[in-house]
Amino acid sequence: AQRVTQPEKLLSVFKGAPVELKCNYSYSGSPELFWYVQYSRQRLQLLLRHISRESIKGFTADLNKGETSFHLKKPFAQEEDSAMYYCALSGRRSQGNLIFGKGTKLSVKP
Amino acid sequence: EPEVTQTPSHQVTQMGQEVILRCVPISNHLYFYWYRQILGQKVEFLVSFYNNEISEKSEIFDDQFSVERPDGSNFTLKIRSTKLEDSAMYFCASTPEINSPLHFGNGTRLTVT
Repeated sequence: AQRVTQPEKLLSVFKGAPVELKCNYSYSGSPELFWYVQYSRQRLQLLLRHISRESIKGFTADLNKGETSFHLKKPFAQEEDSAMYYCALSGRRSQGNLIFGKGTKLSVKP
Repeated sequence: EPEVTQTPSHQVTQMGQEVILRCVPISNHLYFYWYRQILGQKVEFLVSFYNNEISEKSEIFDDQFSVERPDGSNFTLKIRSTKLEDSAMYFCASTPEINSPLHFGNGTRLTVT
């Protein structure tokens, strides 16, 4: 079954602390993995995708095919990082058909 | 920066009524999508649309649902006879190319009473 699991509904950290938002997936084939973010009162927007291998706003995510994981990390959290984070995957042939996780709400306290 | 716009932001309708949710994708985009998110649940894919026809749809997208691009700018989702379980946030998205990231609208909250 194709599935994205984000085990944490809520993650609360203090400013300056490291952050890791967990994402595990189940997919038969070679998926593309994404992290989308939704700030308060804003739209869902792409944060990063695994094929880009880039760091956005200090966040990175490495695809681990052995563990079928795509955890999102940031060494030093900022208050403006507080948002809802969604991990998602798509098949290579079906790029717009995203399978989302339930999301993790990140709260960064001052 | 151009954005996907959705109207209305909130729609309340009675069970059994037809509802049309409207979206204006970004102007040079060619691929269009509808997603929905029932409160407390995952964002779920409904349908993708390209070249004036549905390219893919999920099991959720049954005969009660239809999509249309009536002119060069709008992309609509119609639910023929709404059910209570259709209450959700509906998101429209568009991309210029098949491999590009999705640009989402702000969503329309549909409440069926």
